[in-house]
Amino acid sequence: NAGVTQTPKFRILKIGQSMTLQCAQDMNHNYMYWYRQDPGMGLKLIYYSVGAGITDKGEVPNGYNVSRSTTEDFPLRLELAAPSQTSVYFCASSYSAGSDTQYFGPGTRLTVL
Amino acid sequence: SQKIEQNSEALNIQEGKTATLTCNYTNYSPAYLQWYRQDPGRGPVFLLLIRENEKEKRKERLKVTFDTTLKQSLFHITASQPADSATYLCALYRSSASKIIFGSGTRLSIRP
Repeated sequence: NAGVTQTPKFRILKIGQSMTLQCAQDMNHNYMYWYRQDPGMGLKLIYYSVGAGITDKGEVPNGYNVSRSTTEDFPLRLELAAPSQTSVYFCASSYSAGSDTQYFGPGTRLTVL
Repeated sequence: SQKIEQNSEALNIQEGKTATLTCNYTNYSPAYLQWYRQDPGRGPVFLLLIRENEKEKRKERLKVTFDTTLKQSLFHITASQPADSATYLCALYRSSASKIIFGSGTRLSIRP
């Protein structure tokens, strides 16, 4: 199993550009999550999904969108990138809710200039 | 709102000693509390989970305690090694909120 994979690893965007961060898992997990981690800070939940076709906002959803058309994939869309979105983005998945281990991807380091 | 506090200052420990990291939380008691390890440039990796009705959990050199009266979890690494150097995150889960909240982590450095 590859676990949770994320692409790209690094990306530099100009202000106002858009992009999609890709996330895929091959563990047949129901739950998937997107977090951002700023330097010296904890992980903040952006969006999460409890299954295909179902998504919900987390703590910091503004400026982002998600979709979950399949169990495996959970892309994160940034529209009109802003410097405040400079961060490291982690995708994670788990079989069930909080009682279950979350498996994290390697992260995408995004810089908005 | 629920908050988690971890010591933001790095913890420096001599190899072989026991490292103890603290996780304090406010407001409601979580149903579960998890500890993760994060190495630079990588995603967090799950270490241990402890439930609200458990006082202590062990895994090899790791031990976690959970005191719902003090609203605190302690994470211990015994016989610490330089390879244990990393940032350790605690995360709590409340079933009513259906979400996990992460602390900011404590950086642990084990010197030879």
